[in-house]
Amino acid sequence: DGGITQSPKYLFRKEGQNVTLSCEQNLNHDAMYWYRQDPGQGLRLIYYSQIVNDFQKGDIAEGYSVSREKKESFPLTVTSAQKNPTAFYLCASSIRQESSYNSPLHFGNGTRLTVT
Amino acid sequence: SQQGEEDPQALSIQEGENATMNCSYKTSINNLQWYRQNSGRGLVHLILIRSNEREKHSGRLRVTLDTSKKSSSLLITASRAADTASYFCATDAMSRGETSGSRLTFGEGTQLTVNP
Repeated sequence: DGGITQSPKYLFRKEGQNVTLSCEQNLNHDAMYWYRQDPGQGLRLIYYSQIVNDFQKGDIAEGYSVSREKKESFPLTVTSAQKNPTAFYLCASSIRQESSYNSPLHFGNGTRLTVT
Repeated sequence: SQQGEEDPQALSIQEGENATMNCSYKTSINNLQWYRQNSGRGLVHLILIRSNEREKHSGRLRVTLDTSKKSSSLLITASRAADTASYFCATDAMSRGETSGSRLTFGEGTQLTVNP
């Protein structure tokens, strides 16, 4: 079955530690995304990547970093500089976007990060 | 403020009834998408409606788009307990000449509860 796998489902870290969230897809999608969701709220875009070895900042990139060394993988690092890291993190992928059309996003089942 | 804002924030109905959720947005769009999220899970794409379309159907789902009022509605007919979830609209601002990147903006969602 094709899909997006996020691991782990739950992650606990101490304040001041960096943590990396995994996202892998086997849908052969070019574009990948990271969103953050806080309780009772919508999704906010952290970073996105349209192609291997290239990525752009989203609306709330501060305190986060990403890499896109392989088409299938788009790991997100939550650094100690992120002031409120506790949240639900969602990874998504899609076929490459064109300028006038957005294709649907396929989401993983998320990683719930708790930092204490 | 949010590009897409859903209304109502929460909706509780009985099985078999219809559920209507609304989404308003502020800027011109290429298309509007609706997603569903079960508690603690990723989002699942439901339907995409382009800016030149007025209505679209998919099974028990009916989506309308009124670009003059910058609003959309999602109707779920003959609801079932399994329809209980949060529903989000997502919009993209029209491209300003950019040829890459998809910056879907999600609203805060409508929490639908269907009582058996």
